[in-house]
Amino acid sequence: QKEVEQNSGPLSVPEGAIASLNCTYSDRGSQSFFWYRQYSGKSPELIMFIYSNGDKEDGRFTAQLNKASQYVSLLIRDSQPSDSATYLCAVTTIYNQGGKLIFGQGTELSVKP
Amino acid sequence: DAEITQSPRHKITETGRQVTLACHQTWNHNNMFWYRQDLGHGLRLIHYSYGVQDTNKGEVSDGYSVSRSNTEDLPLTLESAASSQTSVYFCASSATGSQPQHFGDGTRLSIL
Repeated sequence: QKEVEQNSGPLSVPEGAIASLNCTYSDRGSQSFFWYRQYSGKSPELIMFIYSNGDKEDGRFTAQLNKASQYVSLLIRDSQPSDSATYLCAVTTIYNQGGKLIFGQGTELSVKP
Repeated sequence: DAEITQSPRHKITETGRQVTLACHQTWNHNNMFWYRQDLGHGLRLIHYSYGVQDTNKGEVSDGYSVSRSNTEDLPLTLESAASSQTSVYFCASSATGSQPQHFGDGTRLSIL
């Protein structure tokens, strides 16, 4: 079982809809969770990070964390064509003092006008 | 503004040559990381450092080395380049273990 799993997609949503991206992790010691956006040919760009159970909102983006079920999700409201990219989920664990990240394979999102 | 820069952005070289990729950050971050990204494999950790004189191997470290002589720089060296090392390389840094990593723009390396 992979340590961090994401659906590879592509996930296709119409413009203005809510895009829901999911990520599950296997290590219950995971403590910090990050979402990165990566446009084709570009570097990963941090969108959200979350440390505690519940929701964290930033503009059109909401990160949701459920440690009991070992999943973290990213919701994008009012999706725009410019949101079309690959979204990477990454986690760190309590056994990793230096913040070494474990990445999922990424989910490709396509927002259709 | 603080930033992290990688150089060169693109490089083509031949098998067997030594290649060094530069990474420089001005955030004064203790933690620095090197990744490679290939289709079908996602981001894979090559080497990382938690401070000056500290270096550690990641999951795909064979054929690569790093050194950390100051806080700002973590150069990645391919001792004898192989075609399997053709990839996009990203450098990243973070302040502490729980803080996010910030990535450089990447180096596209082709080994012929």
